[in-house]
Amino acid sequence: AQSVTQPDIHITVSEGASLELRCNYSYGATPYLFWYVQSPGQGLQLLLKYFSGDTLVQGIKGFEAEFKRSQSSFNLRKPSVHWSDAAEYFCAVSMDSNYQLIWGAGTKLIIKP
Amino acid sequence: GAVVSQHPSRVICKSGTSVKIECRSLDFQATTMFWYRQFPKQSLMLMATSNEGSKATYEQGVEKDKFLINHASLTLSTLTVTSAHPEDSSFYICSAPALDGQETQYFGPGTRLLVL
Repeated sequence: AQSVTQPDIHITVSEGASLELRCNYSYGATPYLFWYVQSPGQGLQLLLKYFSGDTLVQGIKGFEAEFKRSQSSFNLRKPSVHWSDAAEYFCAVSMDSNYQLIWGAGTKLIIKP
Repeated sequence: GAVVSQHPSRVICKSGTSVKIECRSLDFQATTMFWYRQFPKQSLMLMATSNEGSKATYEQGVEKDKFLINHASLTLSTLTVTSAHPEDSSFYICSAPALDGQETQYFGPGTRLLVL
């Protein structure tokens, strides 16, 4: 069955440090890939997505993600985190054209001052 | 950008009562909307797909008689939790596809339901 794995339940980084959140998926074909952020009291916001083409995609708020087909991964990165980046991050994939998303369990990002 | 709203943002009700949650696409039409449930510290669980002009499609294990979905127009879908019980307390989120050909969805801010 298709699945999305975010192996880190929570990650703590210092403000200004670099960040990488891991996401792996299980599927035979290349899906559409997404990263969403959920801040306390706010709705899910799309950070970036991979549809096709360049495997390094840029998103909002300084985030980027790289699709690696050989590793079935779509890891999210940011060179320098800010305290406002503290939130829950979800990786999701869509396998076909019906817009149904398969979600990872989420990674909670904690920022140390 | 496209906006999806939900109302109410928070509701507290007594056990046995019914609660209606509205999901609206504010500046675009949505023939399809999705309803999710999110438990504390867990990911989103797709409950059902709401289809304008036809019956909703429920995911396995979701009681359609308990979670009534009505897609009344191209901009409104409602989820009614009937005869609510404390175990129905959760965070309910709706989404609507952007129809951008890239499977993007826009999410509502969610509704926190607490059943006493």
